[in-house]
Amino acid sequence: GENVEQHPSTLSVQEGDSAVIKCTYSDSASNYFPWYKQELGKRPQLIIDIRSNVGEKKDQRIAVTLNKTAKHFSLHITETQPEDSAVYFCAATKGGGADGLTFGKGTHLIIQP
Amino acid sequence: KAGVTQTPRYLIKTRGQQVTLSCSPISGHRSVSWYQQTPGQGLQFLFEYFSETQRNKGNFPGRFSGRQFSNSRSEMNVSTLELGDSALYLCASSLMLGEAFFGQGTRLTVV
Repeated sequence: GENVEQHPSTLSVQEGDSAVIKCTYSDSASNYFPWYKQELGKRPQLIIDIRSNVGEKKDQRIAVTLNKTAKHFSLHITETQPEDSAVYFCAATKGGGADGLTFGKGTHLIIQP
Repeated sequence: KAGVTQTPRYLIKTRGQQVTLSCSPISGHRSVSWYQQTPGQGLQFLFEYFSETQRNKGNFPGRFSGRQFSNSRSEMNVSTLELGDSALYLCASSLMLGEAFFGQGTRLTVV
């Protein structure tokens, strides 16, 4: 089955700096890669996603890049703000949507004031 | 538009008992998936239902089961509860190949 590795497990950055979280996946058939943000005690919320026919996608301060050959994808957050502090999860699936998502272990992003 | 609703929010059960959790998806969403979240194992896929049929299943024992009704509402059942079943159980709904929306989850504690 699919295996998703996520690094780092904890990332501390100064407010205003950029943060990068990296994930690798094992199943070349995976075609949908969402990123979720989960604040303490809350539900995971989709912040950005990318499909295998696209190499990069941006949404304001957030971007995701996908390298299908190397089987890795990354989340980039620029101009970080205190409200970006949360746990971020990457995921991969062959099915799209919520079907059979394999999640990374999560990255605890800490924004230092 | 109402979001994904899970009931109950919190549950305490004794080892050996069984439990049923409920999930009401967003109106119009026919795909419902269930996930278990624990500090040690993270988020793990349990199963996915679409139009009352289980289409996909994760690597969990047969004590974990589910079903979906004709209105797309879903239930999951865990029988013969073990201490290790203590977790946050999350339900997610989506359109076919669409963004997954998670519910608030049911926090199950087994004592």
